[in-house]
Amino acid sequence: EVQLVESGGGLVKPGGSLRLSCAASGFTFSSYSMNWVRQAPGKGLEWVSSISSSSSYIYYADSVKGRFTISRDNAKNSLYLQMNSLRAEDTAVYYCARDSSNYDPYFDYWGQGTLVTVSS
Amino acid sequence: SYVLTQPPSVSVAPGKTARITCGGNNIGSKSVHWYQQKPGQAPVLVIYYDSDRPSGIPERFSGSNSGNTATLTISRVEAGDEADYYCQVWDSSSDHRGVFGTGTKVTVL
Repeated sequence: EVQLVESGGGLVKPGGSLRLSCAASGFTFSSYSMNWVRQAPGKGLEWVSSISSSSSYIYYADSVKGRFTISRDNAKNSLYLQMNSLRAEDTAVYYCARDSSNYDPYFDYWGQGTLVTVSS
Repeated sequence: SYVLTQPPSVSVAPGKTARITCGGNNIGSKSVHWYQQKPGQAPVLVIYYDSDRPSGIPERFSGSNSGNTATLTISRVEAGDEADYYCQVWDSSSDHRGVFGTGTKVTVL
């Protein structure tokens, strides 16, 4: 059974940093691209970042480019999101999602999410 | 950047058909995926590549895509179908990025 479990969320002050983790199991993690998707309270889904299976290709939404860094450790079956210079508008539930890794990819498995709150 | 527009809400009586549109410039040339999200839960993929259904998704869910509009159709709507629905594409035109639609709340009357 595919499982994705996020952790690392919490309350952080504006300008602060936070590192999210996503532990994967039930599939060959090193064969799949992975993504972070977020959802602000009461709002829609927003794609944040994507990383290919070998970390060769990395993409970011304009809203986080230069502040967030996605990474992965295939030996540990883990995905990460380093978030720096956090703003109030980064407040959201952050989901990790497995990528179909085909052309025009879709997200076939999602974690339950971890809440990040940016507030003074 | 590529924009996907959905109606904020759709209301449908049980047993009837709900149609949720997703508008985008020449979206018919892209592959569209659809997700269902119930309150407090993570999204679930219900349609991929315009009209394919993942295992476990009822045949009542179907999709189409042409021109500037993609459509998710839910036939014989049940109370359990009440949820938010999002369309999604991957935009490779200028930079590679995922794009979600604005979301549609489906209410079962």
